[in-house]
Order: sequence, then structure tokens, then C-alpha cells
Amino acid sequence: EVQLVQSGAEVKKPGESLKISCQGSGYSFTNSWIAWVRQMPGQGLEWMGAVYPGDSDAKYTPSFQRQVTFSVDKSINTAYLRWSSLKASDTATYYCARHRDFKAFMRGHYLFYDMDVWGRGTTVTVS
Amino acid sequence: QSVLTQPPSVSAATGQRVTITCSGNRFNVGNYYVSWYQRLPGEAPKLVIYEDDKRPSGIPDRFSGSRSGTSATLDITGLQSGDEADYYCGTCDRSLDGRFVFGPGTKVTVL
Repeated sequence: EVQLVQSGAEVKKPGESLKISCQGSGYSFTNSWIAWVRQMPGQGLEWMGAVYPGDSDAKYTPSFQRQVTFSVDKSINTAYLRWSSLKASDTATYYCARHRDFKAFMRGHYLFYDMDVWGRGTTVTVS
Repeated sequence: QSVLTQPPSVSAATGQRVTITCSGNRFNVGNYYVSWYQRLPGEAPKLVIYEDDKRPSGIPDRFSGSRSGTSATLDITGLQSGDEADYYCGTCDRSLDGRFVFGPGTKVTVL
């Protein structure tokens, strides 16, 4: 079964660091981009960006650039989302999801298509 | 503020049909595949339509999608109480260097 398993809920204080995880199984983990999606309380879905486990290439939406860091450990099929200094406004549920398809349109630039496998989400509370 | 627009809510009675429209521009919906996601209360989002009109395995044929010009639509026929959820469209945006964008979401209420 293809699945993404995310780490458990976290409660942190402002200024603390945090790294949450997303472990893939049932498919070739290194061949598909892993996206991170934020859902703040009562709000919609926001695509934060994605990381390619094959070479750790990462793409960030501008509003999340320099706010978070994506990383990967290929040896254990796991992607990570890290904050160095949390803020109260980071309180949200964070989902990882597999991009089923993507296409390069220039060297190092990609069109990201749909996400077909989703983790159950990690709720992060900063207070 | 999303580059895609959706109505905040739609509703219909059990057994009826709802249509959700997702509008964009030539940099996103006008030229690239649209996908749709269902988020049931308390659950992770689920892909229900990809590449405009394809259904993943396990998604009933009551769900259908289409795209024309700079708009895409999701139709749900034979509405059931279990369809009550938030639905999001999404696509890539060439003006945002190919980044994926979601619509703001539409709440479907089954009367």
C-alpha cells in the first residue's frame, strides 16, 4: 500500500525549533516530489512548496521561503519540515503529499501537478 | 489571496447535483490540468479528480470534472450526506514559476 505516515502532534513555545516528518512507503520514494501543505485553523489549504527526495532539490512558495526548511533522508524514505524559531502564527495542521506528476519547463524549474497520496497531517500548536 | 476563485459555499438536497466552478487565468487554469480535493471534517484531503476529468481508483462516478478556457468545474451528482465537505481546486501557475496553487475552497452542504 502506498502511504505517507506523518509524525505526531506537537505543542511548542514561541522561539523554539521543530522538525516534523513524513515517511513514505509502498513506492519509489526518490522519484516523486513531496509537497508540504498548511491548513491554519478555519482556513484553506496552502501549498508551501515541495522537495525532491532524489536530490533534495527544494522549491518554496515565496511566503514560506526563509521561514521553513525542507529536507530529506533517502535512507529511511523520510521528508522533513523544519522551523528554527516558531511563531504563534505557525499554529496549523501540516500535511505532506506526493505529487503524482510534474514536468520540467526549464532547467531546474518545474510545473507541479496533482497530489495523489496524503499523510494524515501533523498538528502544530505554538503557544 | 488565491489566484484561483471558487464560491464559498454551495448546497443541494440529497440526491441532487452540485457544481463547483474554479476560475483562474491563462497562467494557470487556462493552460494546465486542474485537480480537485475533498476534505471531509477531521480528515486529510483526498484527490477526487486529476488531469481535469480523471477519477482516481475508488472515487465514484458521481464525481466528474471538466475544464474550458480559464474555468474548471467539479460536478457531484446523486448527492449523499457523506459528500458534505470542503472541496478545493488546484493547478500549477506558470507566473509563479510552476508552483502549485489551491483555490480558496467551497463548502458543500447537503440539505
